[in-house]
Amino acid sequence: EAGVTQFPSHSVIEKGQTVTLRCDPISGHDNLYWYRRVMGKEIKFLLHFVKESKQDESGMPNNRFLAERTGGTYSTLKVQPAELEDSGVYFCASSHPRTEQYFGPGTRLTVT
Amino acid sequence: GQNIDQPTEMTATEGAIVQINCTYQTSGFNGLFWYQQHAGEAPTFLSYNVLDGLEEKGRFSSFLSRSKGYSYLLLKELQMKDSASYLCAVNRGNTPLVFGKGTRLSVIA
Repeated sequence: EAGVTQFPSHSVIEKGQTVTLRCDPISGHDNLYWYRRVMGKEIKFLLHFVKESKQDESGMPNNRFLAERTGGTYSTLKVQPAELEDSGVYFCASSHPRTEQYFGPGTRLTVT
Repeated sequence: GQNIDQPTEMTATEGAIVQINCTYQTSGFNGLFWYQQHAGEAPTFLSYNVLDGLEEKGRFSSFLSRSKGYSYLLLKELQMKDSASYLCAVNRGNTPLVFGKGTRLSVIA
């Protein structure tokens, strides 16, 4: 069974530019989560999809972040325009209901 | 608010036993996860405790006391490959996990 995949693995962009991160969950997992780890801090929740619906987006920092999961399969997270403080590692995870979450390898975003 | 505490760093000798503690104060509790994360890689699932007591899985064991808001991960017969960050995370139900900052374990010869 293929695991959670994320693309790109690393992205370096300038302040003000736009970046789109992609996550492909494990096939059949309805639950999809986005998390972020800023240097030196803990992994923090951004939002949660159940199929194509946003179940909880209380962790989204501001309206520069937009997440979608059209069709309930893969998800994208767009940051527009990017700011310096958006730098960090963005993890995606997926799961069946009420079971352990499987994490992707993360996308390391560097905003210069 | 949500608060999960674990030591920042630990060092242990190859072949030894190490215990990584985690204390938590969260609004809601359905269980506690331990994940292992090697640098630059995805966190990988180690254990999940829902009820009080010790769960053993090979060289790794995890303990939970819900009344004390306390868990630990016990690693036996340490190997060099066990050098990694160990993340404690609370499951509050069908909601996202709340993570601690992680404990960076260094195994030395």
